[in-house]
Amino acid sequence: DAKTTQPNSMESNEEEPVHLPCNHSTISGTDYIHWYRQLPSQGPEYVIHGLTSNVNNRMASLAIAEDRKSSTLILHRATLRDAAVYYCILGSVGAGSYQLTFGKGTKLSVIP
Amino acid sequence: NAGVMQNPRHLVRRRGQEARLRCSPMKGHSHVYWYRQLPEEGLKFMVYLQKENIIDESGMPKERFSAEFPKEGPSILRIQQVVRGDSAAYFCASSPQPATGELFFGEGSRLTVL
Repeated sequence: DAKTTQPNSMESNEEEPVHLPCNHSTISGTDYIHWYRQLPSQGPEYVIHGLTSNVNNRMASLAIAEDRKSSTLILHRATLRDAAVYYCILGSVGAGSYQLTFGKGTKLSVIP
Repeated sequence: NAGVMQNPRHLVRRRGQEARLRCSPMKGHSHVYWYRQLPEEGLKFMVYLQKENIIDESGMPKERFSAEFPKEGPSILRIQQVVRGDSAAYFCASSPQPATGELFFGEGSRLTVL
């Protein structure tokens, strides 16, 4: 499985932007970059995913490096509800794309 | 997220007993996936099912574990003769078609084996 590297933890002040980095130097051409987050005692929640181009949705933005070896999840304005573990995951296109392997992720703390 | 219903939320079993975990996918979703999260570890894929069919069980332990998704009713993950190492959170996810990006997860069932 292609692996990702994320910082163990990050802190952000409430209402400020947050940039969560992810390195995936062994990414293959068919790997999508997925981001999920997990609040304590809850199931993972889909955040965003992309292949090559930057992506935006109502929750976040995903900035993908030109060489695709790294990406950054951007929360434009952190709220207390955004405190969670954020997972950056590589998933193949097509068959087996549901076989997501979650690592340890980045624990985001939001300071009021 | 709230649309995928799992029960029980918490289950305690003694070694050697059976555990049955149930998952009702979101309305309109016919694809179900089970994941397991061991303590202090990330979630790992176990099995993918469609109605009445197991599509991919490559992540399932070879013994004691089975899964089904009958024509009527919820998907069931069954663990026979549980051991302490089976203690984990089991998450179910669903999608309206074979997943290419977004999986919708339930809140999980936490199994504790005494």
